Amino acid sequence: SQKIEQNSEALNIQEGKTATLTCNYTNYSPAYLQWYRQDPGRGPVFLLLIRENEKEKRKERLKVTFDTTLKQSLFHITASQPADSATYLCALDHGGATNKLIFGTGTLLAVQP
Amino acid sequence: EAGVVQSPRYKIIEKKQPVAFWCNPISGHNTLYWYRQNLGQGPELLIRYENEEAVDDSQLPKDRFSAERLKGVDSTLKIQPAELGDSAVYLCASSPGGTPDNEQFFGPGTRLTVL
Repeated sequence: SQKIEQNSEALNIQEGKTATLTCNYTNYSPAYLQWYRQDPGRGPVFLLLIRENEKEKRKERLKVTFDTTLKQSLFHITASQPADSATYLCALDHGGATNKLIFGTGTLLAVQP
Repeated sequence: EAGVVQSPRYKIIEKKQPVAFWCNPISGHNTLYWYRQNLGQGPELLIRYENEEAVDDSQLPKDRFSAERLKGVDSTLKIQPAELGDSAVYLCASSPGGTPDNEQFFGPGTRLTVL
């Protein structure tokens, strides 16, 4: 069956460290993978998109990698700050003719000061 | 630029009652999505519109859910009658295009509680 898995346990890290979040998928062949941030009581906010032919994408303190062989994307936040505390969702395209995004369950990141 | 607007933000109803949610997307965005998000889960697509046309409603429980997007701008999602299992956050999103390489802009959501 098709599955997207993100760390179900909350990730607790110290301010200034690098946070690494994982998104694994099975039985999908996405051409695109997106990462979103969601704060409590708010809708998700787009962060980064990476294409299947891109190994890595960066934006300020954020970095995303996409390994289609391992079927995995890693999301890194360098020099993390308490303000980075939120739930991070990965989403990949379902493929085929539907053009729809399938979201993972999200990982809660808590950055301690 | 105004974001995606949703109302109401919260709604509490008794089971078997009807409920409606309203969404105003970002101006110029042709694609509109309705998602349902259960606690601890990611958003799940219910329906996607391209202008006025529903192009993907495969996940919409059509026995009790309906949606419309008249004039290709605002949209309404309705549940009638509501069941206990419908308690969730209903998110509306819009994007300039309907392909997966478009980022989606989400509204704040409507938190529905069915008692």
